[in-house]
Amino acid sequence: DTAVSQTPKYLVTQMGNDKSIKCEQNLGHDTMYWYKQDSKKFLKIMFSYNNKELIINETVPNRFSPKSPDKAHLNLHINSLELGDSAVYFCASSQSSGPANTGELFFGEGSRLTVL
Amino acid sequence: GQQLNQSPQSMFIQEGEDVSMNCTSSSIFNTWLWYKQDPGEGPVLLIALYKAGELTSNGRLTAQFGITRKDSFLNISASIPSDVGIYFCAGQLLGAGGTSYGKLTFGQGTILTVHP
Repeated sequence: DTAVSQTPKYLVTQMGNDKSIKCEQNLGHDTMYWYKQDSKKFLKIMFSYNNKELIINETVPNRFSPKSPDKAHLNLHINSLELGDSAVYFCASSQSSGPANTGELFFGEGSRLTVL
Repeated sequence: GQQLNQSPQSMFIQEGEDVSMNCTSSSIFNTWLWYKQDPGEGPVLLIALYKAGELTSNGRLTAQFGITRKDSFLNISASIPSDVGIYFCAGQLLGAGGTSYGKLTFGQGTILTVHP
């Protein structure tokens, strides 16, 4: 069983399109994240949800909208895709977001988005 | 914002050699972590450090949390071919009331190549 699974693994689309990436975790964790890894492998946090509530929203364009229907799922919808959105998007989860947070994140395999 | 400087950017070594990489920051962190990313996968936690001065081992891996809380190093002894991958340091800063929301700041990564 994959602990953190995200779909699709690869996504190739045209500029201006809207696309979604889905993420599910079966670890029973309270907190889920979206990280972006650029072509230089730099990882940067985008969003974090704790029990369906948005708790971290970095300076990400409004075209990116996360949605958490329940604490096991966190989806990412991107409107009006731009060339610069090409990257690998990683979903991750952790046991909690408060004082008990150990910093251990469990990452999915990533979704490689290519915008043409 | 916080930035981590990780070095070296890449290393090419022979199997059996020891490896050392480090991270420095302009600001302090409460937690230092080291992750490894294999090709096509998400990062996986190797070692977590929670106290300044702490030295922790995990098999052939040893990591230390710098006394100033602004740096950390990772050593790999007797490298083997499966050590190939990208190694990331990450820092976590606890907010008011001990909250952190799991927001990790990642270094740029060290690409390790091991020749048999």
